[in-house]
Amino acid sequence: GENVEQHPSTLSVQEGDSAVIKCTYSDSASNYFPWYKQELGKGPQLIIDIRSNVGEKKDQRIAVTLNKTAKHFSLHITETQPEDSAVYFCAASKHDMRFGAGTRLTVKP
Amino acid sequence: DSGVTQTPKHLITATGQRVTLRCSPRSGDLSVYWYQQSLDQGLQFLIQYYNGEERAKGNILERFSAQQFPDLHSELNLSSLELGDSALYFCASSASSGGAFEQYFGPGTRLTVT
Repeated sequence: GENVEQHPSTLSVQEGDSAVIKCTYSDSASNYFPWYKQELGKGPQLIIDIRSNVGEKKDQRIAVTLNKTAKHFSLHITETQPEDSAVYFCAASKHDMRFGAGTRLTVKP
Repeated sequence: DSGVTQTPKHLITATGQRVTLRCSPRSGDLSVYWYQQSLDQGLQFLIQYYNGEERAKGNILERFSAQQFPDLHSELNLSSLELGDSALYFCASSASSGGAFEQYFGPGTRLTVT
């Protein structure tokens, strides 16, 4: 089955800096790659997603890139703000959705 | 607010007991997914129902079962509870039966087994 690895497990940045979180997947048949943000005490919230026929997608300060050949995808957050602090999960899906272990992002004011 | 509701928010019970967790999907969504989130395991897919029928199974224990009712709400039943079952349980809903579509998560049920 699909295996998703996510790095780093923790990330601390200064407000205004960029943050990058990387994921690799094992099943080349996976064709949908969402990213979720989970704040303390809440459920995961879908923030951006990308499909295998697209290489990059942007939504304001967040962007996701996908390299199908290398089977990895990344989340980029620019101009980070303290409210970006949360745990971020990547996932890969063809049939079942498999999640990475999560990255705890801390943005220091 | 994702539009997915889950009850109860918190549940404390003893080992050996049985509990039922409830989920109502977003309006119009036919798929319901159940996930378990524990500290050392991350988000683990348990089971998916689509329009009342079981569609996919993940790492769901035999002690656990689920169903989806005609009004599309779903229940996850956990029996013979063990300490290791303590976790957050999330449901998510999607408009599609396939896995490659947006899933929207509810706020979760925190289960504590003592």
